[in-house]
Amino acid sequence: GQQVMQIPQYQHVQEGEDFTTYCNSSTTLSNIQWYKQRPGGHPVFLIQLVKSGEVKKQKRLTFQFGEAKKNSSLHITATQTTDVGTYFCAAMNRDDKIIFGKGTRLHILP
Amino acid sequence: DAGVIQSPRHEVTEMGQEVTLRCKPISGHNSLFWYRQTMMRGLELLIYFNNNVPIDDSGMPEDRFSAKMPNASFSTLKIQPSEPRDSAVYFCASSTNTGGSGTQYFGPGTRLLVL
Repeated sequence: GQQVMQIPQYQHVQEGEDFTTYCNSSTTLSNIQWYKQRPGGHPVFLIQLVKSGEVKKQKRLTFQFGEAKKNSSLHITATQTTDVGTYFCAAMNRDDKIIFGKGTRLHILP
Repeated sequence: DAGVIQSPRHEVTEMGQEVTLRCKPISGHNSLFWYRQTMMRGLELLIYFNNNVPIDDSGMPEDRFSAKMPNASFSTLKIQPSEPRDSAVYFCASSTNTGGSGTQYFGPGTRLLVL
């Protein structure tokens, strides 16, 4: 079945460094959502992207949706310890099927 | 707003026993989702309901799993009989949009351990 590939699986960065996670699909997506899950917590919605080439910003977070609507990225500028957690993309394909990526686990080194 | 409520928060049971997980969605939300999360398989959608009707249950692993939504404010996920490989965190989420096109609000999850 369709898969949504998310890379990298793990990322360790020094506090203050930037971080990027990528989400890729083999098929065109209707929309894509991003969620953050803190250790021991539950996924919390961050944002939804719908339009081709869309870019949205939330403070230090920048979200992009590819022109072909097959990939997306989340970039965090100048990471802080509060950014620790796992970041998931969740894609909806044209059959209205929701598929979560495996997530990228972000560790911040002080 | 209390958010999505799940119970129990933790469950330890023995193989072969029946397990029932409960979920109360956010009032006014018309879509409800059940997910399972493990280290190996990540976050998997098991089933989702729209207006209390099951829309997509293709993620339900096998006949041992069943889900019901008798009314707009309550849903159950039942495993009978349970097996050790069912150990996972089970999340319930609700949304105001059909399918997954809107924001999903997740509950705190039920941590299930089957011995």
